[in-house]
Amino acid sequence: SQQGEEDPQALSIQEGENATMNCSYKTSINNLQWYRQNSGRGLVHLILIRSNEREKHSGRLRVTLDTSKKSSSLLITASRAADTASYFCATDSSYKLIFGSGTRLLVRP
Amino acid sequence: NAGVTQTPKFQVLKTGQSMTLQCAQDMNHNSMYWYRQDPGMGLRLIYYSASEGTTDKGEVPNGYNVSRLNKREFSLRLESAAPSQTSVYFCASSQVQGPEAFFGQGTRLTVV
Repeated sequence: SQQGEEDPQALSIQEGENATMNCSYKTSINNLQWYRQNSGRGLVHLILIRSNEREKHSGRLRVTLDTSKKSSSLLITASRAADTASYFCATDSSYKLIFGSGTRLLVRP
Repeated sequence: NAGVTQTPKFQVLKTGQSMTLQCAQDMNHNSMYWYRQDPGMGLRLIYYSASEGTTDKGEVPNGYNVSRLNKREFSLRLESAAPSQTSVYFCASSQVQGPEAFFGQGTRLTVV
């Protein structure tokens, strides 16, 4: 079974709204990463948060990490149509990079 | 900089045929990975190589073999393809201990 599970599986919002997606994982981690995938293409790294960090920002992205609950959230503010994609969390432990099941985000113009 | 290059991009196999998916990276990364992605699903780790000369099983290794030919190249072999192996295969690389992974564009494999 996969290490990370995203919630919700799918999310549809209007352009300009904020999008929040959550990730839960099972084992201890060194860090947690978020990736984006456009329609069947390769994944692109968005942001990394280390296990000793609680919050991190990058542009319109905000990531939080709660290691006691084994969960993370990704917030995309002021969404744009171009943000339409699938978003995956990935956990890194013991040299393995394990991905969650993903959230499909649709941003309507 | 090419990054991570996968070949071929598309392939159709008959059940029972064999083939090797090639992956090469030019970023001097130590770790390399093979994933499969089924429609509407996340990525599942098939095999990984933490460094040149080492390989380890991931979540779904059955039916696959790998070779870390050198630091640049990591190949995935299907010895006897089955329809259940129809998927998109992604190769990725990263430095050890977790900075971002860089992905190839994928190989779309159909087994009929």
